[in-house]
Amino acid sequence: AQTVTQSQPEMSVQEAETVTLSCTYDTSESDYYLFWYKQPPSRQMILVIRQEAYKQQNATENRFSVNFQKAAKSFSLKISDSQLGDAAMYFCAYRTSGGSNYKLTFGKGTLLTVNP
Amino acid sequence: DAGVIQSPRHEVTEMGQEVTLRCKPISGHDYLFWYRQTMMRGLELLIYFNNNVPIDDSGMPEDRFSAKMPNASFSTLKIQPSEPRDSAVYFCASSLDRGWGETQYFGPGTRLLVL
Repeated sequence: AQTVTQSQPEMSVQEAETVTLSCTYDTSESDYYLFWYKQPPSRQMILVIRQEAYKQQNATENRFSVNFQKAAKSFSLKISDSQLGDAAMYFCAYRTSGGSNYKLTFGKGTLLTVNP
Repeated sequence: DAGVIQSPRHEVTEMGQEVTLRCKPISGHDYLFWYRQTMMRGLELLIYFNNNVPIDDSGMPEDRFSAKMPNASFSTLKIQPSEPRDSAVYFCASSLDRGWGETQYFGPGTRLLVL
């Protein structure tokens, strides 16, 4: 079974600075998708960014980018120019490939605090 | 688009009572997922449907939990009888059937407290 590990329960960053959240996963598959979701205090789960395992190029969405290291099974999220609105719980998620298995496996999350 | 709609947003009930959570997926989405979030276990998938048919219910904790999707625009998750350990936030999510990489969009969640 796939597992997702987020080793940093909490992180903090100064406003306008850059922060990197770590995520590692365990799988025997070669094709899969990886996601970062953000959960602010409202509890809504919001997709931040996603990465296809077959793509070598790292995904980027405005101030959010990932560092995808397939061999190392690592998928970190970099937030540049951090804003107060970035404060939230961040979840890394893995989705297996093939068949009809659409299950998302989530890490335990990293709570990000942004200091003004 | 209105996004995934869940009701109620908050539910407080007493142990032994029946609880019904409701979800309306994004129009046109083929897949619907029910997740549960607790401090101890994090986010875990309970069950998901494709075109109203349950595909994988291996995450449903026990027979007290049941889920239905009578049509493409409505699903329910029922707990009967409820227990204090069922207290959690329950999320519904939906996605299109464009392949296994399609993004799941989450509703706002239902916060359930069983006393």
